[in-house]
Amino acid sequence: AQSVTQPDIHITVSEGASLELRCNYSYGATPYLFWYVQSPGQGLQLLLKYFSGDTLVQGIKGFEAEFKRSQSSFNLRKPSVHWSDAAEYFCAVGAPGGYNKLIFGAGTRLAVHP
Amino acid sequence: GAGVSQSPRYKVAKRGQDVALRCDPISGHVSLFWYQQALGQGPEFLTYFQNEAQLDKSGLPSDRFFAERPEGSVSTLKIQRTQQEDSAVYLCASSNDKTDTQYFGPGTRLTVL
Repeated sequence: AQSVTQPDIHITVSEGASLELRCNYSYGATPYLFWYVQSPGQGLQLLLKYFSGDTLVQGIKGFEAEFKRSQSSFNLRKPSVHWSDAAEYFCAVGAPGGYNKLIFGAGTRLAVHP
Repeated sequence: GAGVSQSPRYKVAKRGQDVALRCDPISGHVSLFWYQQALGQGPEFLTYFQNEAQLDKSGLPSDRFFAERPEGSVSTLKIQRTQQEDSAVYLCASSNDKTDTQYFGPGTRLTVL
């Protein structure tokens, strides 16, 4: 069965520090991969997506993610975190060739210390 | 409007009441999805529409849940005889192609007392 694992429930970093959020997926083929961010009381905002091609994907707000097929991973990174990045981050997979029903991980809550 | 809108934003229901949650997708978007997000969890798929056709309702938790999109634009998720376990945020998303990016609304937070 398809699944997404985000091993870190909660991460705290200092402002200006680098960030990496982990995501592992289980899927029979290469899925579509997404990272969304959710601020309190807000809907989900797409940070970036991977469908095919270059395995290093650039997104909004200075985020990037790297697809590693051998590790079934799609980790999200940012070189320097800002206080406004505090939010919940969700990794998701979708089914290529279908209607892209998304399967989400449980999320990682990011706190940023000044 | 510029994005997906949902109403109401908050709904409190007594156990056993029926509720209706509305989603206005981005104009022209063919695909519409409903997800349920329990507290502290990621969203879980409920159902999918392509225009007015409900092509997948495999995620609906019980026959108390019903969704419709009669004219291929606005959608309503109805929950009959609400139970406490129905308390969650219900998210709607739309996309302009079956494989394109899904844009999410702010959600409706349902609390069943």
